[in-house]
Amino acid sequence: SQELEQSPQSLIVQEGKNLTINCTSSKTLYGLYWYKQKYGEGLIFLMMLQKGGEEKSHEKITAKLDEKKQQSSLHITASQPSHAGIYLCGAGSYNTDKLIFGTGTRLQVFP
Amino acid sequence: GAVVSQHPSWVICKSGTSVKIECRSLDFQATTMFWYRQFPKQSLMLMATSNEGSKATYEQGVEKDKFLINHASLTLSTLTVTSAHPEDSSFYICSASLAGDEQFFGPGTRLTVL
Repeated sequence: SQELEQSPQSLIVQEGKNLTINCTSSKTLYGLYWYKQKYGEGLIFLMMLQKGGEEKSHEKITAKLDEKKQQSSLHITASQPSHAGIYLCGAGSYNTDKLIFGTGTRLQVFP
Repeated sequence: GAVVSQHPSWVICKSGTSVKIECRSLDFQATTMFWYRQFPKQSLMLMATSNEGSKATYEQGVEKDKFLINHASLTLSTLTVTSAHPEDSSFYICSASLAGDEQFFGPGTRLTVL
């Protein structure tokens, strides 16, 4: 079965600093989703990547999928306290609607 | 658009009782709904996939007789935790999708079993 490993598990950064979260899959990714979750709340969709080498940006967040489609990174530029939360990557399946989630990265941003 | 609601948002119950959690897609018809469980400081674990009008497909290790799923309409799925025990205390999140498209997640239900 497919497994998604995220690193780091947790991250504490000062406001204004850049940071990167990685998501590594044990199998080829057919679709990679990034979500953000506030503690005790649902998931907020950030971005979805499908093609090898694809890169997408929204506001200060950029996500990339490597050429081999087994690793993705999420980069936040000039972090703000509003970026704090749990970031989850999710992998789609080739022939089902299922999503398998990564281990999660807990981000804290202090002023 | 694409709003998914869950009810209740939190529930506390006694050990041995059953609890029903509702998941509704408010502005679209969901052909498929998913139920996830999330323990503190852990990621989401898929419990089951349900399609309207058919039996749910459970993931390995999830007891179908304990976690009853009903997907009676294209906008409503329910998860009933039967004979709940303290180890069932968790955050339960549902999602809904239309024909294999992106999943839209509900806000979650926190279950505490005393």
